[in-house]
Amino acid sequence: AQSVAQPEDQVNVAEGNPLTVKCTYSVSGNPYLFWYVQYPNRGLQFLLKYITGDNLVKGSYGFEAEFNKSQTSFHLKKPSALVSDSALYFCAVRPSFSGGYNKLIFGAGTRLAVHP
Amino acid sequence: NAGVTQTPKFRVLKTGQSMTLLCAQDMNHEYMYWYRQDPGMGLRLIHYSVGEGTTAKGEVPDGYNVSRLKKQNFLLGLESAAPSQTSVYFCASSYERGAKGTGELFFGEGSRLTVL
Repeated sequence: AQSVAQPEDQVNVAEGNPLTVKCTYSVSGNPYLFWYVQYPNRGLQFLLKYITGDNLVKGSYGFEAEFNKSQTSFHLKKPSALVSDSALYFCAVRPSFSGGYNKLIFGAGTRLAVHP
Repeated sequence: NAGVTQTPKFRVLKTGQSMTLLCAQDMNHEYMYWYRQDPGMGLRLIHYSVGEGTTAKGEVPDGYNVSRLKKQNFLLGLESAAPSQTSVYFCASSYERGAKGTGELFFGEGSRLTVL
Protein backbone atom coordinates (compact mmCIF):
# COMPACT_ATOMS: atom_id res chain seq x y z
CA ALA A 1 0.00 0.00 0.00
CA GLN A 2 1.18 3.52 -0.75
CA SER A 3 2.01 5.49 2.37
CA VAL A 4 3.82 8.45 3.86
CA ALA A 5 5.58 8.22 7.22
CA GLN A 6 6.59 11.03 9.52
CA PRO A 7 8.39 9.07 12.23
CA GLU A 8 8.43 11.83 14.84
CA ASP A 9 5.26 13.08 16.48
CA GLN A 10 7.14 16.09 17.83
CA VAL A 11 10.48 17.77 17.22
CA ASN A 12 11.93 20.15 19.80
CA VAL A 13 14.57 22.67 18.77
CA ALA A 14 16.21 25.67 20.40
CA GLU A 15 15.84 28.95 18.57
CA GLY A 16 18.80 29.57 16.29
CA ASN A 17 19.63 25.87 15.90
CA PRO A 18 19.11 23.95 12.67
CA LEU A 19 15.98 21.84 12.39
CA THR A 20 15.03 18.72 10.47
CA VAL A 21 11.56 17.21 10.13
CA LYS A 22 11.68 13.76 8.61
CA CYS A 23 9.51 12.20 5.92
CA THR A 24 9.78 8.89 4.12
CA TYR A 25 7.39 7.44 1.58
CA SER A 26 6.43 4.18 -0.01
CA VAL A 27 5.10 5.01 -3.44
CA SER A 28 5.92 3.50 -6.79
CA GLY A 29 7.43 5.42 -9.64
CA ASN A 30 8.50 9.04 -9.47
CA PRO A 31 6.10 10.84 -7.16
CA TYR A 32 5.62 14.53 -6.55
CA LEU A 33 6.54 15.51 -2.98
CA PHE A 34 5.23 18.35 -0.83
CA TRP A 35 5.48 19.99 2.56
CA TYR A 36 2.62 21.91 4.14
CA VAL A 37 2.52 23.84 7.43
CA GLN A 38 -0.46 24.36 9.73
CA TYR A 39 -0.48 27.10 12.34
CA PRO A 40 -2.95 26.83 15.26
CA ASN A 41 -6.58 27.08 14.22
CA ARG A 42 -5.64 27.68 10.58
CA GLY A 43 -5.75 25.72 7.36
CA LEU A 44 -2.69 24.12 5.80
CA GLN A 45 -0.33 26.33 3.81
CA PHE A 46 1.92 25.15 1.01
CA LEU A 47 5.65 25.38 1.83
CA LEU A 48 7.50 23.72 -1.03
CA LYS A 49 7.42 20.90 -3.56
CA TYR A 50 9.70 18.59 -5.50
CA ILE A 51 8.66 17.60 -9.00
CA THR A 52 11.93 16.93 -10.78
CA GLY A 53 15.46 18.32 -11.09
CA ASP A 54 17.72 19.50 -8.27
CA ASN A 55 17.31 17.34 -5.18
CA LEU A 56 17.42 20.37 -2.88
CA VAL A 57 14.35 22.55 -3.16
CA LYS A 58 13.81 25.87 -1.44
CA GLY A 59 10.49 27.13 -0.21
CA SER A 60 8.77 29.74 1.91
CA TYR A 61 10.04 31.18 5.21
CA GLY A 62 13.61 29.93 4.67
CA PHE A 63 12.68 26.25 4.58
CA GLU A 64 14.24 23.76 2.22
CA ALA A 65 13.85 20.05 1.62
CA GLU A 66 16.16 17.38 0.29
CA PHE A 67 14.87 14.62 -1.94
CA ASN A 68 16.72 11.33 -1.66
CA LYS A 69 15.45 8.78 -4.15
CA SER A 70 17.49 5.83 -2.87
CA GLN A 71 16.24 6.36 0.69
CA THR A 72 12.75 7.44 -0.47
CA SER A 73 12.96 10.42 1.84
CA PHE A 74 12.05 14.08 1.65
CA HIS A 75 13.24 15.73 4.86
CA LEU A 76 12.37 19.32 5.66
CA LYS A 77 15.18 21.52 6.92
CA LYS A 78 15.96 25.03 8.07
CA PRO A 79 19.43 26.32 9.01
CA SER A 80 18.27 28.49 11.93
CA ALA A 81 14.92 27.92 13.65
CA LEU A 82 12.63 30.71 14.82
CA VAL A 83 10.04 30.55 17.59
CA SER A 84 7.49 31.54 14.95
CA ASP A 85 8.26 28.30 13.06
CA SER A 86 6.42 26.37 15.78
CA ALA A 87 3.55 24.64 13.98
CA LEU A 88 2.32 21.32 12.63
CA TYR A 89 4.12 20.14 9.49
CA PHE A 90 2.72 17.69 6.97
CA CYS A 91 4.54 15.78 4.28
CA ALA A 92 2.45 14.75 1.27
CA VAL A 93 3.09 12.64 -1.80
CA ARG A 94 1.31 12.38 -5.12
CA PRO A 95 1.97 9.07 -6.87
CA SER A 96 3.08 9.08 -10.48
CA PHE A 97 0.42 9.59 -13.07
CA SER A 98 -1.17 6.30 -14.08
CA GLY A 99 -4.45 7.45 -15.52
CA GLY A 100 -7.23 9.21 -13.73
CA TYR A 101 -6.77 11.46 -10.75
CA ASN A 102 -3.98 10.67 -8.29
CA LYS A 103 -4.76 12.14 -4.93
CA LEU A 104 -2.26 13.43 -2.41
CA ILE A 105 -1.32 11.07 0.41
CA PHE A 106 -0.61 12.94 3.66
CA GLY A 107 1.58 11.91 6.53
CA ALA A 108 0.21 12.09 10.08
CA GLY A 109 2.05 15.34 10.79
CA THR A 110 4.96 16.39 13.00
CA ARG A 111 4.63 19.08 15.60
CA LEU A 112 7.63 21.41 15.66
CA ALA A 113 8.29 23.27 18.90
CA VAL A 114 10.99 25.93 18.83
CA HIS A 115 12.03 27.12 22.28
CA PRO A 116 13.52 30.55 23.00
CA ASN B 1 -8.73 37.66 -2.83
CA ALA B 2 -10.55 35.65 -0.21
CA GLY B 3 -9.14 32.30 -1.45
CA VAL B 4 -11.05 29.39 0.05
CA THR B 5 -13.84 30.24 2.48
CA GLN B 6 -15.65 27.72 4.67
CA THR B 7 -18.88 28.21 6.59
CA PRO B 8 -19.70 27.66 9.36
CA LYS B 9 -16.46 27.67 11.35
CA PHE B 10 -17.97 25.91 14.36
CA ARG B 11 -21.03 23.74 14.82
CA VAL B 12 -22.39 21.45 17.49
CA LEU B 13 -24.89 18.80 16.42
CA LYS B 14 -26.87 16.10 18.16
CA THR B 15 -26.67 12.55 16.89
CA GLY B 16 -29.01 12.08 13.95
CA GLN B 17 -29.17 15.73 12.94
CA SER B 18 -28.20 16.85 9.47
CA MET B 19 -26.12 19.75 8.29
CA THR B 20 -24.25 21.14 5.32
CA LEU B 21 -20.79 22.68 5.19
CA LEU B 22 -20.24 25.20 2.45
CA CYS B 23 -16.95 25.83 0.67
CA ALA B 24 -16.43 28.67 -1.77
CA GLN B 25 -13.31 29.51 -3.77
CA ASP B 26 -12.66 32.54 -5.91
CA MET B 27 -9.55 31.31 -7.74
CA ASN B 28 -11.38 29.62 -10.63
CA HIS B 29 -9.91 26.28 -9.62
CA GLU B 30 -11.21 23.15 -11.30
CA TYR B 31 -10.55 20.71 -8.46
CA MET B 32 -12.07 20.90 -5.00
CA TYR B 33 -11.75 18.59 -2.01
CA TRP B 34 -13.14 17.87 1.41
CA TYR B 35 -10.79 16.47 4.07
CA ARG B 36 -11.21 15.62 7.69
CA GLN B 37 -8.43 16.03 10.22
CA ASP B 38 -8.24 13.87 13.31
CA PRO B 39 -5.40 13.78 15.87
CA GLY B 40 -2.56 11.47 14.83
CA MET B 41 -4.21 10.61 11.52
CA GLY B 42 -3.25 13.50 9.30
CA LEU B 43 -5.72 14.48 6.63
CA ARG B 44 -8.07 11.99 5.05
CA LEU B 45 -9.90 12.69 1.83
CA ILE B 46 -13.67 12.39 2.07
CA HIS B 47 -14.83 13.40 -1.42
CA TYR B 48 -13.46 15.42 -4.26
CA SER B 49 -14.58 17.03 -7.49
CA VAL B 50 -12.68 17.47 -10.73
CA GLY B 51 -15.14 19.95 -12.17
CA GLU B 52 -18.61 21.42 -12.01
CA GLY B 53 -21.25 18.74 -11.82
CA THR B 54 -18.83 15.91 -10.98
CA THR B 55 -17.92 14.32 -7.65
CA ALA B 56 -15.99 11.26 -6.57
CA LYS B 57 -15.33 9.31 -3.38
CA GLY B 58 -12.13 9.61 -1.43
CA GLU B 59 -10.75 7.45 1.38
CA VAL B 60 -13.54 7.92 3.93
CA PRO B 61 -16.80 8.78 2.08
CA ASP B 62 -19.31 6.87 4.22
CA GLY B 63 -21.84 9.07 5.97
CA TYR B 64 -21.15 12.08 3.75
CA ASN B 65 -22.56 13.43 0.51
CA VAL B 66 -21.31 16.24 -1.69
CA SER B 67 -22.49 18.43 -4.52
CA ARG B 68 -20.75 20.73 -6.98
CA LEU B 69 -23.51 22.59 -8.77
CA LYS B 70 -21.33 25.63 -9.40
CA LYS B 71 -17.62 25.67 -10.13
CA GLN B 72 -16.84 27.91 -7.18
CA ASN B 73 -18.84 25.98 -4.55
CA PHE B 74 -18.44 22.53 -3.03
CA LEU B 75 -20.93 21.41 -0.39
CA LEU B 76 -20.41 18.65 2.16
CA GLY B 77 -23.52 17.17 3.73
CA LEU B 78 -24.05 14.97 6.75
CA GLU B 79 -27.48 13.36 6.52
CA SER B 80 -27.51 11.77 9.97
CA ALA B 81 -24.60 12.90 12.11
CA ALA B 82 -22.77 10.42 14.34
CA PRO B 83 -20.22 11.05 17.13
CA SER B 84 -17.55 9.46 14.91
CA GLN B 85 -17.95 12.44 12.60
CA THR B 86 -16.67 14.81 15.25
CA SER B 87 -13.67 16.32 13.50
CA VAL B 88 -12.18 19.36 11.86
CA TYR B 89 -13.17 19.57 8.22
CA PHE B 90 -11.04 21.30 5.62
CA CYS B 91 -11.98 22.29 2.12
CA ALA B 92 -9.27 22.76 -0.47
CA SER B 93 -9.00 23.61 -4.12
CA SER B 94 -6.34 23.32 -6.79
CA TYR B 95 -5.64 24.30 -10.35
CA GLU B 96 -4.89 21.15 -12.23
CA ARG B 97 -3.84 20.59 -15.81
CA GLY B 98 -5.59 17.31 -16.36
CA ALA B 99 -4.70 14.52 -13.97
CA LYS B 100 -1.02 15.45 -13.84
CA GLY B 101 -1.42 18.61 -11.85
CA THR B 102 1.39 19.46 -9.47
CA GLY B 103 -0.83 19.02 -6.45
CA GLU B 104 -0.50 22.35 -4.68
CA LEU B 105 -3.66 22.70 -2.63
CA PHE B 106 -5.16 25.89 -1.21
CA PHE B 107 -6.97 25.26 2.06
CA GLY B 108 -9.77 26.97 3.91
CA GLU B 109 -9.52 27.80 7.61
CA GLY B 110 -11.45 24.73 8.70
CA SER B 111 -14.83 23.91 10.23
CA ARG B 112 -14.88 22.34 13.67
CA LEU B 113 -17.82 19.98 14.06
CA THR B 114 -18.83 18.31 17.31
CA VAL B 115 -21.50 15.63 17.34
CA LEU B 116 -22.95 14.86 20.76
